[in-house]
Amino acid sequence: DARVTQTPRHKVTEMGQEVTMRCQPILGHNTVFWYRQTMMQGLELLAYFRNRAPLDDSGMPKDRFSAEMPDATLATLKIQPSEPRDSAVYFCASGLVGTGHQPQHFGDGTRLSIL
Amino acid sequence: SQQGEEDPQALSIQEGENATMNCSYKTSINNLQWYRQNSGRGLVHLILIRSNEREKHSGRLRVTLDTSKKSSSLLITASRAADTASYFCATDDKGYSTLTFGKGTMLLVSP
Repeated sequence: DARVTQTPRHKVTEMGQEVTMRCQPILGHNTVFWYRQTMMQGLELLAYFRNRAPLDDSGMPKDRFSAEMPDATLATLKIQPSEPRDSAVYFCASGLVGTGHQPQHFGDGTRLSIL
Repeated sequence: SQQGEEDPQALSIQEGENATMNCSYKTSINNLQWYRQNSGRGLVHLILIRSNEREKHSGRLRVTLDTSKKSSSLLITASRAADTASYFCATDDKGYSTLTFGKGTMLLVSP
């Protein structure tokens, strides 16, 4: 079964440190999404890519967050500098958009704690 | 504000009982999807219902959609302890590519 793979699964670091989260989408999927999940806000869309091009990152704090897709097998989400309010679970999902209504396939997330 | 609002926020039942969760949304949609999330895991797609469909079945799952009321329901029949999870509805209100998720219903099925 093809799966979305996220690393690391857990990350604990101090405020001010750079954090990089990685995602390997399902081969053949053309769209990659980054979400953040918290108890208060639920699941929020941060950014998404189509065929590796960024389409929308309006959900992301621009001053400290950046998302890239250097190749078809890797998407990254970077936070620099990190702050305690960034503590959350970050999910990557991929899907095949453009061939009808298709589901999104989620990784198991990176649980981030900023001290 | 959330597009999809699930109701109830939490539901506790015994094995064998049916579980019904509801979702209301605000704007027009092309499709509505339901996802399950087990503790510590990512979301898993369960079922998709298009705006021109009223009811859909998949195994023990039954989804209904009422576009006039902007609401959907997910029914899990003969529930099992393994059905314990959070359930989310998601709508494509912002366009074809993206989904907006509700805050979910936490379902606890006791043996």
